[in-house]
Amino acid sequence: AQKVTQAQTEISVVEKEDVTLDCVYETRDTTYYLFWYKQPPSGELVFLIRRNSFDEQNEISGRYSWNFQKSTSSFNFTITASQVVDSAVYFCALSEVSFQKLVFGTGTRLLVSP
Amino acid sequence: GAVVSQHPSWVICKSGTSVKIECRSLDFQATTMFWYRQFPKQSLMLMATSNEGSKATYEQGVEKDKFLINHASLTLSTLTVTSAHPEDSSFYICSARRGLGLYEQYFGPGTRLTVT
Repeated sequence: AQKVTQAQTEISVVEKEDVTLDCVYETRDTTYYLFWYKQPPSGELVFLIRRNSFDEQNEISGRYSWNFQKSTSSFNFTITASQVVDSAVYFCALSEVSFQKLVFGTGTRLLVSP
Repeated sequence: GAVVSQHPSWVICKSGTSVKIECRSLDFQATTMFWYRQFPKQSLMLMATSNEGSKATYEQGVEKDKFLINHASLTLSTLTVTSAHPEDSSFYICSARRGLGLYEQYFGPGTRLTVT
């Protein structure tokens, strides 16, 4: 069975601090996809990244970076120089090829204060 | 591209009534649509998967007679909450996927249902 664990329920930082959101997953498939979504107070999910299980390269997009390590089944997300607009709930999700549906973690609420 | 809309964005209904929520893919054909429910400060839980022209597949624990899903066309899926009760109050989110073998799901903005 597939499972996603986001152990951090809520994180509070001050603007300009770096913050890392942890994501640990479980799956029996060798082929799968990992995702990160942002959910601001408006509720609409914003897609951030998709990574397939064969691509372990880390990725950087502006202030965002992702660290994928299959050895530890982790797909962590780092925001550099956080801003107030980064305040939201962030979800990590997993999709196994065999089931083709998304399983979400419980989310991490990030609060960035000025 | 890949825009998904939901209507209404919020709805208040009385206990015992039914409410219909629409999910539309605006600029692509969605072979598969998904319906999720999210309670306050909780994660998204998949309710059902619907493929155009066939019956929806419900997740364990979801009452199919209470949450009627229809996917009549490649751009429209509807979720009807029948005989709604206050415990059905939640944020309902749909997503759409185009084609087989493509794992990207495009999410709608969500519908907030309040049952009084």
